[in-house]
Amino acid sequence: AQSVTQPDIHITVSEGASLELRCNYSYGATPYLFWYVQSPGQGLQLLLKYFSGDTLVQGIKGFEAEFKRSQSSFNLRKPSVHWSDAAEYFCAVGAVEYGNKLVFGAGTILRVKS
Amino acid sequence: DADVTQTPRNRITKTGKRIMLECSQTKGHDRMYWYRQDPGLGLRLIYYSFDVKDINKGEISDGYSVSRQAQAKFSLSLESAIPNQTALYFCATSDPGSSGNTIYFGEGSWLTVV
Repeated sequence: AQSVTQPDIHITVSEGASLELRCNYSYGATPYLFWYVQSPGQGLQLLLKYFSGDTLVQGIKGFEAEFKRSQSSFNLRKPSVHWSDAAEYFCAVGAVEYGNKLVFGAGTILRVKS
Repeated sequence: DADVTQTPRNRITKTGKRIMLECSQTKGHDRMYWYRQDPGLGLRLIYYSFDVKDINKGEISDGYSVSRQAQAKFSLSLESAIPNQTALYFCATSDPGSSGNTIYFGEGSWLTVV
């Protein structure tokens, strides 16, 4: 079965600092990978997704993620964090073998200090 | 207007009562989902429907039922609500034709069972 691990429950970074949120997964042969963001009291917004091709994907709000098959990872990065990035971030994986249903990680709460 | 609309957005109900959460979408997607979000657990799939005649249980379907009234409408019912069903519930839709089954979420429904 698919599974997703986000090792960090909370992360605190200073405004302007770089950010990396980790995501590891187990999957079928052809994974689809996603990062969603949830601001307080809001629904989930898609940041970026990987299906195939270039393993470095660009998303909205200046985020990017890199798919590393050898490490079963899909880490989210941003070079300079803004206070408005404070939110909870979810990694999700789907696979054709599992009917394309998504499995979500437990989430990482990002705090930004000024 | 939101593409995926959930009603009610907030509800407090008593133990043992029946409660229905409704979802409608204007995206024209065949696939619809109900997820539950709990702190530290991420999102877990309750039920999903790949078309009007197709209903499937997710990983945590006990205590829930669903109805797919039309392509655009998918409702979730708690037949006899209990306090541990207090959570944030999300309806979502997807289109398998849009590469990897990207899922689009509603804004969520907060349910409190007292």
